[in-house]
Parts: sequence; C-alpha cells; structure tokens
Amino acid sequence: AQSVTQLGSHVSVSEGALVLLRCNYSSSVPPYLFWYVQYPNQGLQLLLKYTTGATLVKGINGFEAEFKKSETSFHLTKPSAHMSDAAEYFCAVSDRGAVYGSGNTGKLIFGQGTTLQVKP
Amino acid sequence: KAGVTQTPRYLIKTRGQQVTLSCSPISGHRSVSWYQQTPGQGLQFLFEYFSETQRNKGNFPGRFSGRQFSNSRSEMNVSTLELGDSALYLCASSLLGGPSTDTQYFGPGTRLTVL
Repeated sequence: AQSVTQLGSHVSVSEGALVLLRCNYSSSVPPYLFWYVQYPNQGLQLLLKYTTGATLVKGINGFEAEFKKSETSFHLTKPSAHMSDAAEYFCAVSDRGAVYGSGNTGKLIFGQGTTLQVKP
Repeated sequence: KAGVTQTPRYLIKTRGQQVTLSCSPISGHRSVSWYQQTPGQGLQFLFEYFSETQRNKGNFPGRFSGRQFSNSRSEMNVSTLELGDSALYLCASSLLGGPSTDTQYFGPGTRLTVL
C-alpha cells in the first residue's frame, strides 16, 4: 500500500532563510508526487507535481522539489522564505498505475502535513 | 473561470442527525473527489465520482455516501452523525480524474461541527 511520511509537523525559519520540507513515500512503483499548500480557512492549492521526465520540478511561488527514486523522497525547497509562505504544506502521492476507469483514479494519499512558520 | 465552490461553508449539527454537503466543480470538470480533514487523521479520501458513477471509494463506513448529477455537481451525505465526524470536508474537481494529466482543484471546504 502507498503511504507518505512528512518529517517534522512544524518547521520554523527566519524570513529570507532556506525552506526545506521533507517528504518520503512508500510505493511498489514510483508514484506521481504532489505538494499542496493550505492557508488558514482555505482549501488546498497545488504547488507542483512530478509525473515523468525531469526529476527537479519547479512550482509556483518560487518552490521546487526533486524526485529521488533511490531515496524515495520528494523534498520541497525554496531558497528564501517570505512571510506569506506561512501555511500548512502537504505532500501527496497518486497511483502511477491509475488510468481512467481503473478504480484508483481521483485518489490522492496525503502526508500528515507540515506547518511552516516564518519569523520576521 | 470560477473555481470549485462548496456549500455551506459552515454547519453545526447534533449527534444522530444527517447532513448533506454540496460541491460544484469547475466548469467542464467531470471528476469530483471528496476528502475528510481532521487534526488527528489528516486528509483522508472518501470517494470519487465520474459521470454520475462512483469510481473509487475510501475506507469509511456506509454512513458516508455521495452522488453526482448530470451537470457534474456532487453531494455527499453523512447519516447518523457522530462526534468524530466533525471535520473539514474538501471537494476537489478535475477534468477526468487521471492523476498524470489532471490537476485536482480543491474547494474551500465545509466545516462540519457535530455537537
């Protein structure tokens, strides 16, 4: 069964510092990988996703993530934190075998989330 | 293009009651998925609907049900509410539900409180 582990439920950085949010997955085959952000009282917004091709994926708001198959990791980074980055971040996986009608479509498996605090 | 809308945004019910939540997907999207978000269990997949058919289901009791209409709008129903059903219920829509090509767009959620 697929699973996602986010290391660290809370991460605190200073404004301008590097942001590193860790995500490891467990899957029998390399899954599709996603990072979502959730601001207070809002739904989830997709930051970036990895499906195939280049393992370094660039997303919105200056975030990027690198898929490392050997480490089963998909860590999220941003070179310089901004106060507006304070939010909860979720790593998610989806079955690579999911095709339309296979029964695994439309299902994302999420990690427990990491709350990012940005200090002035 | 309008985003995913969910109504109502907030709901308070008492134990034993039932509740219906509504989700209107982005225009043209045919797949709607529902998730439950709680502090203890995190984000958990409830079910997915595509062309009025439930295509995938998570590990929730039968008290949780849903349906999708011909215009792709979806409702989920929870019967015999329990305190543990208090949660943020999120709806997400995508074109066809395929994870490699589609992106799931989430609504703001419905906050359900069971007293």
